[in-house]
Amino acid sequence: AQKITQTQPGMFVQEKEAVTLDCTYDTSDQSYGLFWYKQPSSGEMIFLIYQGSYDEQNATEGRYSLNFQKARKSANLVISASQLGDSAMYFCAMREVYGSGNTGKLIFGQGTTLQVKP
Amino acid sequence: NAGVTQTPKFQVLKTGQSMTLQCAQDMNHEYMSWYRQDPGMGLRLIHYSVGAGITDQGEVPNGYNVSRSTTEDFPLRLLSAAPSQTSVYFCASSYGASGVYGTDTQYFGPGTRLTVL
Repeated sequence: AQKITQTQPGMFVQEKEAVTLDCTYDTSDQSYGLFWYKQPSSGEMIFLIYQGSYDEQNATEGRYSLNFQKARKSANLVISASQLGDSAMYFCAMREVYGSGNTGKLIFGQGTTLQVKP
Repeated sequence: NAGVTQTPKFQVLKTGQSMTLQCAQDMNHEYMSWYRQDPGMGLRLIHYSVGAGITDQGEVPNGYNVSRSTTEDFPLRLLSAAPSQTSVYFCASSYGASGVYGTDTQYFGPGTRLTVL
């Protein structure tokens, strides 16, 4: 079974500094996708970035990048130049492959609460 | 392109009442799903659909019904509300059921915060 682990319940970062949010995963599949979502205090779930296991380069989306280390089974999210608006809960997730009784659901980690200090 | 929309944003029900949470997407996505988010429980899948006319149960389907008459809409019906259904409900959609390797991105609606008294 697939599993996502986020070991940092809460983190602080100073505004304009970079921060890394940890994510490790467990899967027996050779090919898979990893996702990061942001949930601000307003409650919505915002897709940030995606990494395919077969992608040779780490994914980047603006100030977000994914430090993907396949051998270590880690997919850490790096936020550069933190802003006050980055304060939120961040979830790492994998997607179950639909079929053979699987629903295609997202499997989430426990989340990390990030607070950006001015 | 509005993405995934949900209505209402907030709802208070009394025990035993029924209601429908609306979800719509304008991205021509085949896969749609409903999750509930509870403190300490994470997001759990309620029901999902892989296309118009096709629905199936997720992890926690009891007390909920769904239908998918069009590609765009996927309403969630609470049959007889109970306090245990107090939660935040998210609708999500993706292009395919998951992609061959679980690579299809799911996009979420803004959520509905439901309180059952």
